[in-house]
Amino acid sequence: QMQLVQSGAEMKKTGSSVKVSCKSYGYNPSYRYLHWVRQAPGQALEWMGWIAPYNGNTNYAQKFQDRVTISRDRSMTTAYMELSSLRFEDTAMYFCARGSGSQSDSFDIWGQGTMVTVSS
Amino acid sequence: QSVLTQPPSVSGAPGQRVTISCTGSGSNIGADYDVHWYQQLPGAAPKLLMFGVNNRPSGVPDRFSGSKSGTSASLAITGLQTEDEADYYCQCYDSSLGGFFVFGTGTTVTVL
Repeated sequence: QMQLVQSGAEMKKTGSSVKVSCKSYGYNPSYRYLHWVRQAPGQALEWMGWIAPYNGNTNYAQKFQDRVTISRDRSMTTAYMELSSLRFEDTAMYFCARGSGSQSDSFDIWGQGTMVTVSS
Repeated sequence: QSVLTQPPSVSGAPGQRVTISCTGSGSNIGADYDVHWYQQLPGAAPKLLMFGVNNRPSGVPDRFSGSKSGTSASLAITGLQTEDEADYYCQCYDSSLGGFFVFGTGTTVTVL
């Protein structure tokens, strides 16, 4: 069964960093881009960036350019999203989602989400 | 801040037809990039509902259909059912600012 499984909820202080993992199962992850999307409480979905597992290339939304790093492990089965200099407004559910690697990308498999709570 | 605008809410009685609009611009929907739709049930991750304007993944009932014209796209639900109560988001690629993916503002569907 194809699925993405994310790491557990995190509670962080303002100014710190958080690193969320996303492990793929049931398919060859090499050539399927991995996107990160977040959703603040009661708000819309917001795209953060993607990684191409086969070569590690990344692309980030301008809003997060200076604070986010998306990476993957050598096996290419686990992707990571690290967000630094956390602010209260970074409190959100963070999802990983599978894409195909084109500008026509739709996200056909989603992780269960990881809640990140930022407090002082 | 999303560049795809959706109505905050739509509602209908069981069995009725409702439509959700998604209005973009010349750098996304109007540039002929594919539009996709997601359904998000309360407390759950989004689920791909429609891809490439009007293609349904396996398991999605044919009560759902999509269309696109100019800089807008629409999702229609015919024969509305109580299980359709959810949030719906459109999504597209935008070629401005170096290129990025964008979601709509989201629409809550309520079955009366």
